[in-house]
Amino acid sequence: DGGITQSPKYLFRKEGQNVTLSCEQNLNHDAMYWYRQDPGQGLRLIYYSQIVNDFQKGDIAEGYSVSREKKESFPLTVTSAQKNPTAFYLCASRDSTARKEQFFGPGTRLTVL
Amino acid sequence: QQQVKQSPQSLIVQKGGISIINCAYENTAFDYFPWYQQFPGKGPALLIAIRPDVSEKKEGRFTISFNKSAKQFSLHIMDSQPGDSATYFCAASENTGKLIFGQGTTLQVKP
Repeated sequence: DGGITQSPKYLFRKEGQNVTLSCEQNLNHDAMYWYRQDPGQGLRLIYYSQIVNDFQKGDIAEGYSVSREKKESFPLTVTSAQKNPTAFYLCASRDSTARKEQFFGPGTRLTVL
Repeated sequence: QQQVKQSPQSLIVQKGGISIINCAYENTAFDYFPWYQQFPGKGPALLIAIRPDVSEKKEGRFTISFNKSAKQFSLHIMDSQPGDSATYFCAASENTGKLIFGQGTTLQVKP
């Protein structure tokens, strides 16, 4: 059963803590993306990676970090430097060689207590 | 120049009616225009997409109309159903694959 999985579904964080959101895909896609979704603001790109061991900042990268050590995995760390981290986080992947669409995971809702 | 502007922000349609959502862009390098449907608490799912070499694409009850000269594109949902109630996002990308999303439209179809 191919697809994108994100975990956990819900995450609660105390102020000052770093947390890591997991994103795994078994679609053999080379490109992966992280978006943040806030009410009324659509989806905004945080980081993206087109190949293993390489990634680029998106429009709102401050306070976030990523790694891409394996093709299947693209974890996102929300650091304590992110001033307003409460949001819905979405991971996506794409087969860049075929110019196909981005497929999205089910999302992780992060709440800062 | 990287923005995609979407309207209306919300839309209420009677069952069986036509829902129309509009988007406009500035960057002429955009060459792929998808529409995504999102239900509450779920990730967006691709609904339909178009490239600028065609003016219209239809899949079932969903149609994209594309006006390259005006740099506008729209989604038409024919015979709208209560199950279509969701948030719809337009998006645009160039060859990097990065998607620029509109602000979203919340559609409510009344029975």
